[in-house]
Amino acid sequence: SQKIEQNSEALNIQEGKTATLTCNYTNYSPAYLQWYRQDPGRGPVFLLLIRENEKEKRKERLKVTFDTTLKQSLFHITASQPADSATYLCALDNNFGNEKLTFGTGTRLTIIP
Amino acid sequence: DTAVSQTPKYLVTQMGNDKSIKCEQNLGHDTMYWYKQDSKKFLKIMFSYNNKELIINETVPNRFSPKSPDKAHLNLHINSLELGDSAVYFCASSQEAGLPSTQYFGPGTRLLVL
Repeated sequence: SQKIEQNSEALNIQEGKTATLTCNYTNYSPAYLQWYRQDPGRGPVFLLLIRENEKEKRKERLKVTFDTTLKQSLFHITASQPADSATYLCALDNNFGNEKLTFGTGTRLTIIP
Repeated sequence: DTAVSQTPKYLVTQMGNDKSIKCEQNLGHDTMYWYKQDSKKFLKIMFSYNNKELIINETVPNRFSPKSPDKAHLNLHINSLELGDSAVYFCASSQEAGLPSTQYFGPGTRLLVL
C-alpha cells in the first residue's frame, strides 16, 4: 500500500543549528514533491517544490533534496530560529496529472532559544 | 486581500444537522479543493474541482456534497452530521490541474459535532 512517512512526530533543535526533516515514501512514483509549513490554527503554506529530475533546491535558509532511488526527501533549515517552529508537511503527487496531492503525517519542529 | 477565504471559521452543531461551509478564492485559479484534517493532524483530500467540474472524488460518504457555482467558489454541504465529522476542513486552490503547481490554503473551518 502507498505510504508517506515523516520522521519523528516532533523534533527539537537548538537555535542556530540545522534542522533536518525526512520524508520517506513507498509505492509512489511522484513527478514532484512539495514541502509546506503549517502554524497552529492556520492552513498549510507552500515552501518549496522539487521535481523528480532535480536533486536539490534552495530558497534562502531552506534546502530540499529528492532521491527517487531511496524514495526520500530531506528538508533542511540552516541557522534555525525560534520563528521556524511549526509543523512541516511533505506532499507528493500521484503522477496522474490531476493535481492530487497526498500529504505526509507532518513533523512538529521546535527551535529552542 | 485574503487569497483563499472560508466561512465560517468555527462551526459547532448537533449530530444529525445539515451544515454548509463556503470557500472563495481571488487568485484566478482554475482548481479548488476540499481537505479534511483530523485530530491527529493528518491532512487528506476529499474533493477537487477544475473549472466547476469535479475531477477528484475520494472515498467520502455521500453525505458530503461539494458545489462549485463558478471557478472562484467551492462550497461543501454536509448532511446528517456525525460525531466523526468533527475536524478542520481546509479549502485550497491551485493554478491549473495537470501541472505541478503549489496549492494555496484557506484558514480552515473548525467543525465540532456534539
